[in-house]
Amino acid sequence: DSGVTQTPKHLITATGQRVTLRCSPRSGDLSVYWYQQSLDQGLQFLIQYYNGEERAKGNILERFSAQQFPDLHSELNLSSLELGDSALYFCASSVVGLSSGNTIYFGEGSWLTVV
Amino acid sequence: GESVGLHLPTLSVQEGDNSIINCAYSNSASDYFIWYKQESGKGPQFIIDIRSNMDKRQGQRVTVLLNKTVKHLSLQIAATQPGDSAVYFCAEKTSGTYKYIFGTGTRLKVLA
Repeated sequence: DSGVTQTPKHLITATGQRVTLRCSPRSGDLSVYWYQQSLDQGLQFLIQYYNGEERAKGNILERFSAQQFPDLHSELNLSSLELGDSALYFCASSVVGLSSGNTIYFGEGSWLTVV
Repeated sequence: GESVGLHLPTLSVQEGDNSIINCAYSNSASDYFIWYKQESGKGPQFIIDIRSNMDKRQGQRVTVLLNKTVKHLSLQIAATQPGDSAVYFCAEKTSGTYKYIFGTGTRLKVLA
C-alpha cells in the first residue's frame, strides 16, 4: 500500500458525460501528479500541483481540468467524455516538487470506461 | 518526450536466471532516476532509485546501474521469480523541474 488513495476504483459512463476522480496523497506529501495510461501504453503525464498551485502541465486536454484543495487532496475533472478517454488514471504524490531525490508514489488508479 | 507506444518490448527469462532491463533516458540534465514495477491492473510500485552522483545502487535482489555518458539506465534482477513478471518503467527527473518523465516500459515474463 503506497498510501495514495484514489476513488472511484472503477467507473463506467456514457460519451458526453462528466466525471470527477479523486485523490488523497500520502500523509505529508505536498505534490500531486495525475497520469493517464491507456491499454498497453506508458504513463502520460497530465498535470501536477504543489501545495494547491499548478506547477507543471503535460498532455492534458482542454476538456480535462484538475485542482488541489487546501487539505491537499486533488480532483481530476473529465468532461465531454469520448470513447478514447477510456483509460486508467493514476494519481501520485511526493513530498516536494522541485528537488530531486523525491520518489513519487502511485495510487492504484481509477479505471474509466466510456461507452 | 512523454512515453508512448502501443507495443511494449518484452523480455522473457527463465525462472532463477538474472534479468536485465534497459532504459535510455532523454535529458542529460536529469539527476534522479527511479525504477517502477507495474503488475496488471495495479499502480506502479517503487523498486529502487538512484541519483546522478552514483553509478550503482543495490537493493534486495535488484541493482540499478547508471551510465550518464550514454544516458542509459539498467535494472538487474537476480534470481528472477514468477512474481517478478510485470511491466517495468524507468523515470527521470531534473532538479528544478516538477515533472517526472517515464520510459515506455518493458514487459518481463518469467518462464517456469
